[in-house]
Amino acid sequence: GAGVSQTPSNKVTEKGKYVELRCDPISGHTALYWYRQSLGQGPEFLIYFQGTGAADDSGLPNDRFFAVRPEGSVSTLKIQRTERGDSAVYLCASSHPPGSGVYNEQFFGPGTRLTVL
Amino acid sequence: DQQVKQNSPSLSVQEGRISILNCDYTNSMFDYFLWYKKYPAEGPTFLISISSIKDKNEDGRFTVFLNKSAKHLSLHIVPSQPGDSAVYFCAASRNTGNQFYFGTGTSLTVIP
Repeated sequence: GAGVSQTPSNKVTEKGKYVELRCDPISGHTALYWYRQSLGQGPEFLIYFQGTGAADDSGLPNDRFFAVRPEGSVSTLKIQRTERGDSAVYLCASSHPPGSGVYNEQFFGPGTRLTVL
Repeated sequence: DQQVKQNSPSLSVQEGRISILNCDYTNSMFDYFLWYKKYPAEGPTFLISISSIKDKNEDGRFTVFLNKSAKHLSLHIVPSQPGDSAVYFCAASRNTGNQFYFGTGTSLTVIP
C-alpha cells in the first residue's frame, strides 16, 4: 500500500511569508506526527494528532506554527511570518495509536525541505 | 536538552565485518527504543525496535542490545553490506506516550 506522502517536496519562500506543508498519512493510521529536522540534527518533535485533535503540541516552537487535521486524515502544517531559522526538513509520520497494543513504529514520509531566504 | 545521544557522527566499516552503532539516553522513563535508517532525500525508515522488558532483539543481520542500567543501546549489523551505508538514528519513547526523541544520527559507510 501507499506510504506517507508529503507535498511539496521542496518549498522556497521569502522571509515573512506564509507557508503550508501537507501530509497524507498511511490509510488506517489514526496517529499523525510532525517533526522538524535541521542540518546535522535528528528529527525534533513538533506536534502529535490522535484523530482530528492535537493531543500534544508541546513541540511547536512558537505561535507562528500551527497544524490542523480536520477530518482525521490529511494534515497541514502552517507557518506564519517565516524566518530564516525555520529552514529545515519537515517530516510527517503516522502510526497506530500509541499504547494500542502493537508496536507503534512511526512511518515517515520523505519530508518537505523548506528554505526561507 | 538532548535526551538521546549518538556520540559518533560517522563510522566506516569494511564489507563483511560487523558494524556497531551506539546510543545513550538520559531519561529513565523511556521504555521503548527504535533504530531508523535514513538515505539522502528520503524519510527515516524503521529498522528494528526493542522494549525495555528485553535486553536483545534480533532480526536477520540486525541485532539491538539494551543495557538499562547503563542507559545504553547498540545496533549490530553483521555482516555489513555496502547497501547498509546510510545515516542511522536512535529513538526513544515511553510506550504510552507519543513523542519520539531522536539522536543526532551516525553516518555509516560500508566500504566494498
